[in-house]
Amino acid sequence: DTAVSQTPKYLVTQMGNDKSIKCEQNLGHDTMYWYKQDSKKFLKIMFSYNNKELIINETVPNRFSPKSPDKAHLNLHINSLELGDSAVYFCASSEKGVNGDSPLHFGNGTRLTVT
Amino acid sequence: SQQGEEDPQALSIQEGENATMNCSYKTSINNLQWYRQNSGRGLVHLILIRSNEREKHSGRLRVTLDTSKKSSSLLITASRAADTASYFCATAGGKLIFGQGTELSVKP
Repeated sequence: DTAVSQTPKYLVTQMGNDKSIKCEQNLGHDTMYWYKQDSKKFLKIMFSYNNKELIINETVPNRFSPKSPDKAHLNLHINSLELGDSAVYFCASSEKGVNGDSPLHFGNGTRLTVT
Repeated sequence: SQQGEEDPQALSIQEGENATMNCSYKTSINNLQWYRQNSGRGLVHLILIRSNEREKHSGRLRVTLDTSKKSSSLLITASRAADTASYFCATAGGKLIFGQGTELSVKP
């Protein structure tokens, strides 16, 4: 069974649309993350939740809204998509908190293409 | 701001050779981690080295950490074609921040 799974794997949409990416982890971890990887492979943290509570909220446009219905799920909703939102979005989880004391387990990413 | 910077950005070697990748960072850290990313996949954790450790081994991987120079290196010995991937260092000092990675190509 996949430890961190995210859907969909590919997402192609037009500017202005609203889309969601779902993430689930079955590792029993308390902390989950959303990372964005750009075309140069630079990986930047967007959000982190610990046991459904928002811990990290980097400088991300408020068109991006994470939602954590329970500690095993962290979804990402994006409103009014823009061309610059095109990237690969990774969900991840870790056993301990956001301090980086424990390794991250990543999903396989969602490649978002905005046309 | 970006913390870790990998060097080189790209590395091409023959199977059987050793591959060395370096990571430099700017501020104090609690630990440093190395990850591998195969094409089209998520990152996979390889090894974590704490700030009070100088060297760590895992199979064919050897990681060193020099906190005085704020640098780390990842050595892959006897490389295989399957080692072809991007390798990232990530520094932990409050939160985990990733570098931009080294693209390793191992030719059979």
